[in-house]
Amino acid sequence: AQTVTQSQPEMSVQEAETVTLSCTYDTSESDYYLFWYKQPPSRQMILVIRQEAYKQQNATENRFSVNFQKAAKSFSLKISDSQLGDAAMYFCAYGDRDDKIIFGKGTRLHILP
Amino acid sequence: NAGVTQTPKFRVLKTGQSMTLLCAQDMNHEYMYWYRQDPGMGLRLIHYSVGEGTTAKGEVPDGYNVSRLKKQNFLLGLESAAPSQTSVYFCASSPGTGIYSDTQYFGPGTRLTVL
Repeated sequence: AQTVTQSQPEMSVQEAETVTLSCTYDTSESDYYLFWYKQPPSRQMILVIRQEAYKQQNATENRFSVNFQKAAKSFSLKISDSQLGDAAMYFCAYGDRDDKIIFGKGTRLHILP
Repeated sequence: NAGVTQTPKFRVLKTGQSMTLLCAQDMNHEYMYWYRQDPGMGLRLIHYSVGEGTTAKGEVPDGYNVSRLKKQNFLLGLESAAPSQTSVYFCASSPGTGIYSDTQYFGPGTRLTVL
């Protein structure tokens, strides 16, 4: 069975600085998707970025980028120029062939002004 | 275009009571999902549906039933609520257009407390 591990329960970063959130996963599949979701205090889950496993190029979305290491089964999220609005719980997730997603336990990110 | 909506937003039940959570999406998505989120945990899939009239079990289906009579609606039922079902429930939908995962669009969540 696939698993997703986020080893950092909480992290803090100074406003305008860069922070990297870690995620590792385990799977025997070769084709899959990886996601980072953001959950602010409103509790709604918001897609931050998506990576297709067959693509070698790392996905980027404005200030958000990933470092996808397929052989190492690692999928970290880098947030550049951190803003107060980035404060949230971040979930790493793995998507399988049946469109089901398996979530990690999350990393709570604090932004220090 | 409201996206994914959930009704109700909050609910308190007594042990043994029943209730139904409603999820609605207006994006014409094929796939719909119900998750639960507990403190310190990520989301766990309860049930999902890959089309109108079809449902399937997820990771934690016990104690729940679902129905997808209309494409835009996905109902989650608790026949006899237990305190262990106290949680925040999220509904999501996805286009289901590819072999692999599409982006899932989440609702705002329902906070359920079972006393």
